[in-house]
Amino acid sequence: ELKVEQNPLFLSMQEGKNYTIYCNYSTTSDRLYWYRQDPGKSLESLFVLLSNGAVKQEGRLMASLDTKARLSTLHITAAVHDLSATYFCAVGSGGSNYKLTFGKGTLLTVNP
Amino acid sequence: GAGVSQTPSNKVTEKGKYVELRCDPISGHTALYWYRQSLGQGPEFLIYFQGTGAADDSGLPNDRFFAVRPEGSVSTLKIQRTERGDSAVYLCASSFSGGGGYGYTFGSGTRLTVV
Repeated sequence: ELKVEQNPLFLSMQEGKNYTIYCNYSTTSDRLYWYRQDPGKSLESLFVLLSNGAVKQEGRLMASLDTKARLSTLHITAAVHDLSATYFCAVGSGGSNYKLTFGKGTLLTVNP
Repeated sequence: GAGVSQTPSNKVTEKGKYVELRCDPISGHTALYWYRQSLGQGPEFLIYFQGTGAADDSGLPNDRFFAVRPEGSVSTLKIQRTERGDSAVYLCASSFSGGGGYGYTFGSGTRLTVV
């Protein structure tokens, strides 16, 4: 059974600082997704990582995938308050990787 | 449509009642998924449709839960004899194909509360 572990689960940081969220998973997969969720809202797709070594960047967020280590990271650079949200990683599995298994999420709070 | 539409956005029902939750996926997306998100948790897979057929319903918790997609577009998740433990946000997602290579688009969800 695929298990996805995110850490930390809670992250409080100051504006302007850098930090990394880690996503470990237990079985082989080359499909890794990052989502953002604001309170009471649905999931907003941030990154789709489809191969080993994939790196994608959007604004202050950068995601990478190491399929050999079964690890993805979401790096936050110079955080701003607007980044406060819950971030989920999800790993694809199943015959065509259609099934997503989510981590528990990381609640990020960026303080002024 | 422009996005995945779910109705109703909120549903309060009494224990033991029957409910139907509707999902209207993005036009042209052949794959449709239902997930359930409990408070403070990540979404959990329920069922995957490719076209009209349920390709994987292994996430449905028991036989009180059933989903259909008769014309390969709109899907309905049906819950019989609801229990308080069914309270959660039910999310629908769609994708261009079953492999998620282009990502998944999620709807805003239906918040189900069983009292």
